[in-house]
Amino acid sequence: SAVISQKPSRDICQRGTSLTIQCQVDSQVTMMFWYRQQPGQSLTLIATANQGSEATYESGFVIDKFPISRPNLTFSTLTVSNMSPEDSSIYLCSVQPGTGPYEQYFGPGTRLTVT
Amino acid sequence: TQLLEQSPQFLSIQEGENLTVYCNSSSVFSSLQWYRQEPGEGPVLLVTVVTGGEVKKLKRLTFQFGDARKDSSLHITAAQPGDTGLYLCAGEDRYGQNFVFGPGTRLSVLP
Repeated sequence: SAVISQKPSRDICQRGTSLTIQCQVDSQVTMMFWYRQQPGQSLTLIATANQGSEATYESGFVIDKFPISRPNLTFSTLTVSNMSPEDSSIYLCSVQPGTGPYEQYFGPGTRLTVT
Repeated sequence: TQLLEQSPQFLSIQEGENLTVYCNSSSVFSSLQWYRQEPGEGPVLLVTVVTGGEVKKLKRLTFQFGDARKDSSLHITAAQPGDTGLYLCAGEDRYGQNFVFGPGTRLSVLP
């Protein structure tokens, strides 16, 4: 397993600004993921962030809007750029520590409200 | 594109009742996970099933993977208010290329 922390836990931001969310893991992991969860909904994968390579984005998500950094095996950031109210959501990072089944461990999430 | 469906979408029951939540797909999965998410928290992994027909128990929770590895169920015996949450199934395709979450079942157990 892995213990994951996220900062900030919540924020209220104005339209047009950007917010950077940090994700810290207590152990070195290769595979890290960023998800969005809209109110009352399931999880939607934004991108996969592996250390040493560019993040891989899912359909509907682009690097200009959601730039990701992965400077080492224990840390990643997701920036939500030029925010609009539609970006109001919970943003979650997760890791897959092992090489077996696709088990993921999640951070507590960052609740973002854009006004 | 692989899709996972879950039923029911919402479930509200009294403490002490039993319930079953279903996760279905038309695709084969090499593994399937169940997560529980409580308000203000990230999803927490409950179990992983890998073998068709596999049954795993976690206290009052029983998980089953279908023989064809296309579906799974979660049965809770004598539900308690602490079981309240969003239950998510998630599957990895047979090639290890894709991982998808179901839409979730929101369970409320009333005291």
